[in-house]
Amino acid sequence: GEDVEQSLFLSVREGDSSVINCTYTDSSSTYLYWYKQEPGAGLQLLTYIFSNMDMKQDQRLTVLLNKKDKHLSLRIADTQTGDSAIYFCAERPSGAGSYQLTFGKGTKLSVIP
Amino acid sequence: NAGVTQTPKFQVLKTGQSMTLQCAQDMNHNSMYWYRQDPGMGLRLIYYSASEGTTDKGEVPNGYNVSRLNKREFSLRLESAAPSQTSVYFCAIYTGSDGNTIYFGEGSWLTVV
Repeated sequence: GEDVEQSLFLSVREGDSSVINCTYTDSSSTYLYWYKQEPGAGLQLLTYIFSNMDMKQDQRLTVLLNKKDKHLSLRIADTQTGDSAIYFCAERPSGAGSYQLTFGKGTKLSVIP
Repeated sequence: NAGVTQTPKFQVLKTGQSMTLQCAQDMNHNSMYWYRQDPGMGLRLIYYSASEGTTDKGEVPNGYNVSRLNKREFSLRLESAAPSQTSVYFCAIYTGSDGNTIYFGEGSWLTVV
Protein backbone atom coordinates (compact mmCIF):
# COMPACT_ATOMS: atom_id res chain seq x y z
CA GLY A 1 0.00 0.00 0.00
CA GLU A 2 0.90 3.64 -0.14
CA ASP A 3 3.11 5.18 2.51
CA VAL A 4 3.87 8.84 3.14
CA GLU A 5 6.76 9.95 5.33
CA GLN A 6 7.51 13.36 6.83
CA SER A 7 9.89 14.68 9.43
CA LEU A 8 8.01 15.49 12.63
CA PHE A 9 9.41 18.89 13.60
CA LEU A 10 10.84 22.01 11.99
CA SER A 11 11.85 25.25 13.66
CA VAL A 12 12.65 28.45 11.75
CA ARG A 13 13.10 32.13 12.51
CA GLU A 14 10.50 34.62 11.41
CA GLY A 15 11.36 36.00 7.98
CA ASP A 16 13.37 32.94 6.94
CA SER A 17 12.18 30.35 4.44
CA SER A 18 10.75 27.06 5.67
CA VAL A 19 11.11 23.84 3.72
CA ILE A 20 8.96 20.88 4.70
CA ASN A 21 9.81 17.58 3.07
CA CYS A 22 7.75 14.50 2.24
CA THR A 23 8.41 11.18 0.54
CA TYR A 24 5.81 8.84 -0.90
CA THR A 25 5.82 5.35 -2.32
CA ASP A 26 3.05 5.11 -4.91
CA SER A 27 4.68 4.85 -8.32
CA SER A 28 1.48 5.37 -10.33
CA SER A 29 0.20 8.76 -11.33
CA THR A 30 -1.00 10.57 -8.28
CA TYR A 31 -2.15 13.82 -6.78
CA LEU A 32 -0.14 15.20 -3.89
CA TYR A 33 -1.54 17.66 -1.38
CA TRP A 34 -0.37 19.91 1.40
CA TYR A 35 -2.74 20.66 4.27
CA LYS A 36 -2.26 23.02 7.21
CA GLN A 37 -3.72 22.40 10.65
CA GLU A 38 -3.69 25.05 13.34
CA PRO A 39 -4.23 24.05 16.99
CA GLY A 40 -7.78 22.95 17.66
CA ALA A 41 -8.83 23.40 14.05
CA GLY A 42 -9.55 21.29 11.01
CA LEU A 43 -7.37 20.76 7.95
CA GLN A 44 -7.02 23.60 5.50
CA LEU A 45 -6.04 22.72 1.96
CA LEU A 46 -3.00 24.82 1.02
CA THR A 47 -2.11 23.54 -2.41
CA TYR A 48 -1.84 20.43 -4.53
CA ILE A 49 0.24 19.18 -7.43
CA PHE A 50 -0.28 16.47 -9.99
CA SER A 51 2.58 14.08 -10.59
CA ASN A 52 3.19 15.25 -14.16
CA MET A 53 4.27 18.66 -12.81
CA ASP A 54 7.65 19.61 -11.37
CA MET A 55 6.76 22.79 -9.56
CA LYS A 56 3.82 24.87 -8.52
CA GLN A 57 3.93 28.33 -6.99
CA ASP A 58 1.15 30.11 -5.17
CA GLN A 59 2.10 33.40 -3.49
CA ARG A 60 4.51 32.49 -0.66
CA LEU A 61 4.16 28.76 -1.25
CA THR A 62 6.29 26.74 -3.66
CA VAL A 63 5.80 23.02 -4.16
CA LEU A 64 8.62 21.04 -5.74
CA LEU A 65 8.18 17.48 -6.94
CA ASN A 66 10.99 15.06 -7.74
CA LYS A 67 9.21 12.13 -9.35
CA LYS A 68 12.31 10.00 -9.67
CA ASP A 69 12.96 10.11 -5.94
CA LYS A 70 9.26 10.37 -5.02
CA HIS A 71 10.08 13.45 -2.98
CA LEU A 72 7.80 16.42 -2.41
CA SER A 73 8.63 19.66 -0.65
CA LEU A 74 6.72 22.71 0.48
CA ARG A 75 8.65 25.94 0.72
CA ILE A 76 7.15 28.86 2.63
CA ALA A 77 8.89 32.13 1.86
CA ASP A 78 9.17 34.87 4.49
CA THR A 79 7.78 32.63 7.22
CA GLN A 80 5.51 34.40 9.69
CA THR A 81 4.37 33.48 13.20
CA GLY A 82 0.94 32.79 11.74
CA ASP A 83 2.50 29.95 9.75
CA SER A 84 3.09 27.99 12.96
CA ALA A 85 1.01 24.86 12.53
CA ILE A 86 1.18 21.20 11.59
CA TYR A 87 1.61 20.56 7.88
CA PHE A 88 0.40 17.33 6.36
CA CYS A 89 1.50 15.83 3.10
CA ALA A 90 -1.07 13.53 1.48
CA GLU A 91 -1.18 11.34 -1.59
CA ARG A 92 -4.08 10.20 -3.72
CA PRO A 93 -3.68 7.82 -6.65
CA SER A 94 -5.36 8.99 -9.85
CA GLY A 95 -7.78 6.84 -11.79
CA ALA A 96 -11.34 5.72 -11.43
CA GLY A 97 -12.37 4.81 -7.90
CA SER A 98 -9.21 6.17 -6.29
CA TYR A 99 -10.74 8.61 -3.86
CA GLN A 100 -8.76 7.90 -0.73
CA LEU A 101 -6.00 10.04 0.73
CA THR A 102 -2.99 8.60 2.50
CA PHE A 103 -1.51 11.08 4.97
CA GLY A 104 1.89 11.53 6.48
CA LYS A 105 2.05 11.99 10.24
CA GLY A 106 2.53 15.74 9.92
CA THR A 107 5.38 18.19 10.42
CA LYS A 108 5.03 20.65 13.26
CA LEU A 109 6.42 24.00 12.17
CA SER A 110 7.44 26.37 14.93
CA VAL A 111 8.27 29.95 13.97
CA ILE A 112 10.55 31.82 16.34
CA PRO A 113 9.88 35.58 16.50
CA ASN B 1 -14.38 24.42 5.17
CA ALA B 2 -16.12 24.25 1.81
CA GLY B 3 -19.59 23.54 3.19
CA VAL B 4 -18.82 20.51 5.38
CA THR B 5 -20.61 20.62 8.72
CA GLN B 6 -19.89 18.21 11.57
CA THR B 7 -21.83 17.76 14.79
CA PRO B 8 -21.21 17.59 17.65
CA LYS B 9 -17.93 19.45 17.99
CA PHE B 10 -17.18 18.04 21.43
CA GLN B 11 -18.50 14.94 23.21
CA VAL B 12 -17.60 12.95 26.30
CA LEU B 13 -18.85 9.37 26.48
CA LYS B 14 -18.63 6.63 29.04
CA THR B 15 -17.24 3.28 27.97
CA GLY B 16 -20.00 1.22 26.40
CA GLN B 17 -22.21 4.13 25.43
CA SER B 18 -23.20 4.69 21.85
CA MET B 19 -23.30 7.83 19.78
CA THR B 20 -23.48 9.07 16.20
CA LEU B 21 -21.34 11.72 14.60
CA GLN B 22 -23.12 13.60 11.88
CA CYS B 23 -21.65 15.11 8.73
CA ALA B 24 -23.52 17.13 6.16
CA GLN B 25 -22.42 18.82 2.96
CA ASP B 26 -24.22 21.45 0.98
CA MET B 27 -22.50 21.02 -2.36
CA ASN B 28 -23.99 17.85 -3.85
CA HIS B 29 -20.74 15.89 -4.06
CA ASN B 30 -20.74 12.13 -4.30
CA SER B 31 -17.77 11.07 -2.20
CA MET B 32 -17.59 11.51 1.55
CA TYR B 33 -15.13 10.20 4.16
CA TRP B 34 -14.58 9.75 7.87
CA TYR B 35 -11.03 10.03 9.25
CA ARG B 36 -9.69 9.89 12.76
CA GLN B 37 -6.65 11.79 13.95
CA ASP B 38 -4.49 10.62 16.83
CA PRO B 39 -1.26 12.16 18.14
CA GLY B 40 1.74 10.89 16.22
CA MET B 41 -0.46 8.85 13.85
CA GLY B 42 -1.63 11.42 11.35
CA LEU B 43 -5.05 10.88 9.81
CA ARG B 44 -6.38 7.40 9.17
CA LEU B 45 -9.40 6.55 7.05
CA ILE B 46 -12.24 4.82 8.89
CA TYR B 47 -14.90 4.52 6.19
CA TYR B 48 -15.77 6.21 2.96
CA SER B 49 -18.75 6.48 0.68
CA ALA B 50 -18.30 6.87 -3.07
CA SER B 51 -21.96 7.62 -3.63
CA GLU B 52 -25.36 7.62 -1.96
CA GLY B 53 -26.21 4.21 -0.59
CA THR B 54 -22.67 2.79 -0.81
CA THR B 55 -20.00 2.55 1.87
CA ASP B 56 -16.59 0.90 2.10
CA LYS B 57 -14.10 0.19 4.86
CA GLY B 58 -10.96 2.18 5.17
CA GLU B 59 -7.82 1.48 7.18
CA VAL B 60 -9.35 1.38 10.69
CA PRO B 61 -13.07 0.42 10.50
CA ASN B 62 -13.33 -1.81 13.57
CA GLY B 63 -15.75 -0.50 16.19
CA TYR B 64 -17.55 1.81 13.78
CA ASN B 65 -20.53 1.74 11.47
CA VAL B 66 -21.55 4.28 8.87
CA SER B 67 -24.67 5.25 7.04
CA ARG B 68 -25.14 7.16 3.79
CA LEU B 69 -28.90 7.35 3.37
CA ASN B 70 -28.83 10.36 1.12
CA LYS B 71 -26.30 12.34 -0.86
CA ARG B 72 -26.03 15.12 1.67
CA GLU B 73 -25.31 13.22 4.89
CA PHE B 74 -22.76 10.64 6.04
CA SER B 75 -22.94 9.53 9.66
CA LEU B 76 -20.45 7.61 11.80
CA ARG B 77 -21.75 5.50 14.67
CA LEU B 78 -19.94 4.08 17.67
CA GLU B 79 -22.14 1.28 19.00
CA SER B 80 -20.16 0.60 22.17
CA ALA B 81 -17.53 3.25 22.75
CA ALA B 82 -14.09 2.28 24.02
CA PRO B 83 -11.29 4.49 25.40
CA SER B 84 -9.24 3.61 22.30
CA GLN B 85 -11.80 5.56 20.28
CA THR B 86 -10.86 8.79 22.00
CA SER B 87 -9.78 10.85 19.04
CA VAL B 88 -10.55 13.75 16.77
CA TYR B 89 -12.87 12.77 13.93
CA PHE B 90 -12.93 14.53 10.59
CA CYS B 91 -15.46 14.29 7.85
CA ALA B 92 -14.30 15.12 4.32
CA ILE B 93 -15.73 15.46 0.84
CA TYR B 94 -14.16 14.90 -2.56
CA THR B 95 -15.12 17.68 -4.90
CA GLY B 96 -13.98 16.23 -8.23
CA SER B 97 -13.04 19.74 -9.22
CA ASP B 98 -10.53 22.41 -8.15
CA GLY B 99 -7.78 19.94 -8.87
CA ASN B 100 -9.69 16.99 -7.49
CA THR B 101 -9.42 18.31 -4.00
CA ILE B 102 -10.69 16.93 -0.73
CA TYR B 103 -12.06 19.34 1.86
CA PHE B 104 -12.43 18.68 5.57
CA GLY B 105 -14.92 19.64 8.21
CA GLU B 106 -13.76 21.31 11.41
CA GLY B 107 -13.57 18.11 13.43
CA SER B 108 -15.36 16.44 16.33
CA TRP B 109 -13.42 15.94 19.55
CA LEU B 110 -14.51 12.72 21.25
CA THR B 111 -13.35 11.53 24.67
CA VAL B 112 -14.32 8.10 25.99
CA VAL B 113 -13.81 7.65 29.72
